[in-house]
Amino acid sequence: GQSLEQPSEVTAVEGAIVQINCTYQTSGFYGLSWYQQHDGGAPTFLSYNALDGLEETGRFSSFLSRSDSYGYLLLQELQMKDSASYFCAVRPNAGNNRKLIWGLGTSLAVNP
Amino acid sequence: NAGVTQTPKFRVLKTGQSMTLLCAQDMNHEYMYWYRQDPGMGLRLIHYSVGEGTTAKGEVPDGYNVSRLKKQNFLLGLESAAPSQTSVYFCASSYRSAGGYEQYFGPGTRLTVT
Repeated sequence: GQSLEQPSEVTAVEGAIVQINCTYQTSGFYGLSWYQQHDGGAPTFLSYNALDGLEETGRFSSFLSRSDSYGYLLLQELQMKDSASYFCAVRPNAGNNRKLIWGLGTSLAVNP
Repeated sequence: NAGVTQTPKFRVLKTGQSMTLLCAQDMNHEYMYWYRQDPGMGLRLIHYSVGEGTTAKGEVPDGYNVSRLKKQNFLLGLESAAPSQTSVYFCASSYRSAGGYEQYFGPGTRLTVT
């Protein structure tokens, strides 16, 4: 089967760095995506890793290691507005690959 | 550009009633999706479409029907609503291209079935 695992909750303080992990069990995929969702809002796209390594976009970075079946989202210089849920997702490269496989999300609480 | 819009934003139904959720996108995207989101369950795919006139089942299609008569619109129908269909419904769309298939989401419809 195909599944993605993320921690359900993470807590950090303002200004700190936090890493949200995503481990997966899937036979093959094109890449790993990350989405952010604030309470009451819609998910919004954050980043995409097609290749192994680190992708940086401002305070956010995302990492993928296919050999370790593992990826993470790194948030630096945390701000209160970063309190949200974060979802990882992959697009399988076999079978019906028009869909994304989603993790259940990690709720990040940033405290003062 | 408005992006992805959904109507209505909120709705309360009685068990057995029917309704249609409307989704529209102005980005000329080929692919469109309907998800439901429940606490602790993440996003679950109900139905999706890879182009005008085509639809396909997702993970949780029972009790729902969809239509994609025009490329920009994707309709989700509940023929006989049940309390188990109380949820937040999100529509999304994406480009037909290789890569991450970045999905653009609408603001959601909050549906309560009593």
